[in-house]
Amino acid sequence: GENVEQHPSTLSVQEGDSAVIKCTYSDSASNYFPWYKQELGKRPQLIIDIRSNVGEKKDQRIAVTLNKTAKHFSLHITETQPEDSAVYFCAASIPRDDKIIFGKGTRLHILP
Amino acid sequence: NAGVTQTPKFRILKIGQSMTLQCAQDMNHNYMYWYRQDPGMGLKLIYYSVGAGITDKGEVPNGYNVSRSTTEDFPLRLELAAPSQTSVYFCASSYTGGESNYEQYFGPGTRLTVT
Repeated sequence: GENVEQHPSTLSVQEGDSAVIKCTYSDSASNYFPWYKQELGKRPQLIIDIRSNVGEKKDQRIAVTLNKTAKHFSLHITETQPEDSAVYFCAASIPRDDKIIFGKGTRLHILP
Repeated sequence: NAGVTQTPKFRILKIGQSMTLQCAQDMNHNYMYWYRQDPGMGLKLIYYSVGAGITDKGEVPNGYNVSRSTTEDFPLRLELAAPSQTSVYFCASSYTGGESNYEQYFGPGTRLTVT
């Protein structure tokens, strides 16, 4: 069935360094790839998304890249700050079922 | 706009009891979803709806029922609660048109414990 794999499950980076989270998807028809951030005890919130007609999108310190041929996409956070500590989820759309499937999440720790 | 609202925030159920988790959105979104999130885990889709009167099973529908009689409301019913249903339940909504998916907005969640 459809699947989204996310790596790593946990990531610790020094404050100011960059963090990269990678996801692969199985449905070649997927055309929408959102990233959500979930702080402890809070609801998931969209931080950036990308559609299949572009290869990269940037919003200040965060960027997402998409490689449709390889069926993988990545989240890049530069100049990390303490408030970036959270769980990040990638997701991919499943057009024939009108839904999206989430990866299992990456817990990002920003070390002082 | 209140966005997506969920009630109750917390609930403790005894094994075998039933309850309904309420979800409402005031953004005129056509799609609504129910997810569960077990501690330290990701989001699993329980049921979703693409419009009033239409519902579909997600990844983990067993033990749950839904209905969508209006665009705004999407209640989730638990019958015969079991300890395995202890989780945080999130409702979400989105506007999706044609072949385009759009951002899902999540409610604050309901923390359910079954003992």
